[in-house]
Amino acid sequence: AQSVTQLGSHVSVSEGALVLLRCNYSSSVPPYLFWYVQYPNQGLQLLLKYTSAATLVKGINGFEAEFKKSETSFHLTKPSAHMSDAAEYFCAVTTTGKLIFGQGTTLQVKP
Amino acid sequence: NAGVTQTPKFQVLKTGQSMTLQCAQDMNHEYMSWYRQDPGMGLRLIHYSVGAGITDQGEVPNGYNVSRSTTEDFPLRLLSAAPSQTSVYFCASRQQYNEQFFGPGTRLTVL
Repeated sequence: AQSVTQLGSHVSVSEGALVLLRCNYSSSVPPYLFWYVQYPNQGLQLLLKYTSAATLVKGINGFEAEFKKSETSFHLTKPSAHMSDAAEYFCAVTTTGKLIFGQGTTLQVKP
Repeated sequence: NAGVTQTPKFQVLKTGQSMTLQCAQDMNHEYMSWYRQDPGMGLRLIHYSVGAGITDQGEVPNGYNVSRSTTEDFPLRLLSAAPSQTSVYFCASRQQYNEQFFGPGTRLTVL
């Protein structure tokens, strides 16, 4: 069975600072991993996905994530936070028919 | 393409009532899923389908039924509504290992 754990339900950074949102997964077979973003009162939008082609994945809006098999992690980073990055971020994993989401991390960006 | 459509957008039920949330997609996706989103809980998978005639349980299936008679439609039935089912419900579709597309959501309140 697969599962996802997002460490930290709330993360607060200053504008211009590094963003690091943590995601660890559990899977008995090679996983496919995703990061989604949800802005207030909106639906979910795909940021990026890992499908085994490359361990460092670049997504939209300057975000990227690195797949580390040894650490079973897929952390999301952005070098410099912008006020518009304030949202809820979800990590997700699939190996079969199920796409399972983590609990989400709310990113607050302070001016 | 309309993408993933859901109806209704809002619904208020009394305890014990039944209803069906409708979901349709026009992208010819094989995989369809229903999630509920609750504060601090992320998105939890209710039921999913990997093709017409094939459905399976997700993380929180109790109190819900689904069927998939066509590729396009994937209705979710609440058999006897309970206050614990107050939530925002999202329908989603995808091709295997690819981006999942979400509907706009249904906000359900059970009194």
